[in-house]
Amino acid sequence: NAGVTQTPKFQVLKTGQSMTLQCAQDMNHNSMYWYRQDPGMGLRLIYYSASEGTTDKGEVPNGYNVSRLNKREFSLRLESAAPSQTSVYFCASRPLDSPLHFGNGTRLTVT
Amino acid sequence: EDQVTQSPEALRLQEGESSSLNCSYTVSGLRGLFWYRQDPGKGPEFLFTLYSAGEEKEKERLKATLTKKESFLHITAPKPEDSATYLCAVQLHGSGNTGKLIFGQGTTLQVKP
Repeated sequence: NAGVTQTPKFQVLKTGQSMTLQCAQDMNHNSMYWYRQDPGMGLRLIYYSASEGTTDKGEVPNGYNVSRLNKREFSLRLESAAPSQTSVYFCASRPLDSPLHFGNGTRLTVT
Repeated sequence: EDQVTQSPEALRLQEGESSSLNCSYTVSGLRGLFWYRQDPGKGPEFLFTLYSAGEEKEKERLKATLTKKESFLHITAPKPEDSATYLCAVQLHGSGNTGKLIFGQGTTLQVKP
């Protein structure tokens, strides 16, 4: 059972470059989430998708876009990366009224 | 403003030395409080959910408790393998089915043999 799979695991970008972080879950969960984790800040919600076909902004959506491609996949796109987006990005999923299941993260550095 | 604060930021214990981690919250309405464990280079792993004041949950050497203002994660006779960062998160009333959580900054626990 793979759970929540994130790719890539590591990425280095230059300021202004774009990239898409991929996330897939094989647990048939309805809801999926993107968080970023920064030292001293805790996990902060970027975007979420409560169900297939819907997406909503979280606490820190600026500079990001998302796509819920199907029930399994939820991608996060950085159109023009900035150094402030250097972070560890976590994707998570959950079934109805249950705890979040997290992937192992993508470590992104923007120079 | 809804807020979750964990203390201490870091905690060093000797193996067998019991202690507690604190998670205090100031929120408009609590739907549930969650504890997660995070190992270096990994995603958070679910430990417990607490829903109402007075509730307690246990798992091996860990016990989580909840009051109206805070939660404690008690660690009894810890072992080196308990070393990790422990995260607390709250889900608010009115968040509906979104599952949105507000996380604290975490407590990094190191248990020395």
